[in-house]
Order: sequence, then structure tokens, then C-alpha cells
Amino acid sequence: GAGVSQTPSNKVTEKGKYVELRCDPISGHTALYWYRQSLGQGPEFLIYFQGTGAADDSGLPNDRFFAVRPEGSVSTLKIQRTERGDSAVYLCASSSPQPPEKLFFGSGTQLSVL
Amino acid sequence: GQNIDQPTEMTATEGAIVQINCTYQTSGFNGLFWYQQHAGEAPTFLSYNVLDGLEEKGRFSSFLSRSKGYSYLLLKELQMKDSASYLCAVLNFNKFYFGSGTKLNVKP
Repeated sequence: GAGVSQTPSNKVTEKGKYVELRCDPISGHTALYWYRQSLGQGPEFLIYFQGTGAADDSGLPNDRFFAVRPEGSVSTLKIQRTERGDSAVYLCASSSPQPPEKLFFGSGTQLSVL
Repeated sequence: GQNIDQPTEMTATEGAIVQINCTYQTSGFNGLFWYQQHAGEAPTFLSYNVLDGLEEKGRFSSFLSRSKGYSYLLLKELQMKDSASYLCAVLNFNKFYFGSGTKLNVKP
């Protein structure tokens, strides 16, 4: 597509529930990133994919968080047993293959855990 | 760890010039990026420096000194629409580390 698409734009869930957040990157971008942003803070790195594999998942806060990108395009961030502290905007970005490797962000998913 | 520091908030007047500073200490460096983020929106790319010196792009310029771990974003002829947060980000190998952002308020 023309830009990075994220769905849903808003997700309200109850503590303990499971959620999936979807990201459709720019066509041809092999690198895909997930970030989390809390109010008044900069984006916090979660995980980076190069193609289908998770090249770096060191930012995932714990084992309740998992992400996949099975065909090297669309990615899904999965959060199990959600907690109130998971509430944030989850941003997905893909990066241009040629330098500068600037990030193109989606509009984000606002996750609210009640 | 990776440290990227920027002022939390700045205020400037329409038509003026403002400089937003960023200092960083990271284990590696492959480039420094500035992003603009309007409230409730996603960040958008503004500028990029990988070598020391000034990069000019219209009303926006960005400077880098790698030896000092320092960059600044210079915004000239400020407009009301420039009110936004400005994020400094360091690319370290394949990971981007972001500062907390500087909220710029442009007043008439």
C-alpha cells in the first residue's frame, strides 16, 4: 500500500484478555519495527524484523508479548494476559531499504486496558 | 544503556528561529534522525545526519558533532503549524533509539 497501515486504530480490552495488533508495511520494505509510546515519551523499541525473522526482540518487556511476520509482509503483535500497564500507543514502522534508513510510521493502535 | 537527552518543552514566537538540542550516548552510531510528531499523530521524518556538519532542508536544518555526541535541529521562520513534538533518534546498527521528545509551542 501507499503507507504503513495499522489496525485497529483503537482497542479497549479488559485486564487479563488477549489482544492482537496488526501492521501492514509499505510494499517492498523488508525491515519492520514495533514501538510502544506512552504519553509524553518517545517511542520505545519492542522488536525488529528483517524479512520473516525477528532479528532483534530484545525490547519485548516480557513473555506475554510476541510478534510474528510469517510471510515477510504483514506483522501481528500479540499480547497475552493484558495488564493496565500495557496501555499505550503501539506504533509500527517500516524502513526504506536504501540509506538513509528512515522510518515510515503507521498511525498507531491506542490500546487501553481497563 | 542508550541515553538520548532533549529538553522537555520549549516556547518560541511565530517568525522566530528556535534550536532544539539533543545529546546522546550510545554503544554504536549509524546516523542521527529528527522526527516531527503532532499531537495524536505518528512521527514523520524530518532530517538525517551521518557525518559531522550541517544539513539544510528548507526552513529546517540539522547539525551533528559525533565527537561531542551532539545534534541540534534548527527551525527558521517559525509557523504556528510547527507546534509539535520533535524527536531525536539514533540509529545503532539496526535499532532506532528515541529521546523523549521536545514539545515546541509556537505562539503568535
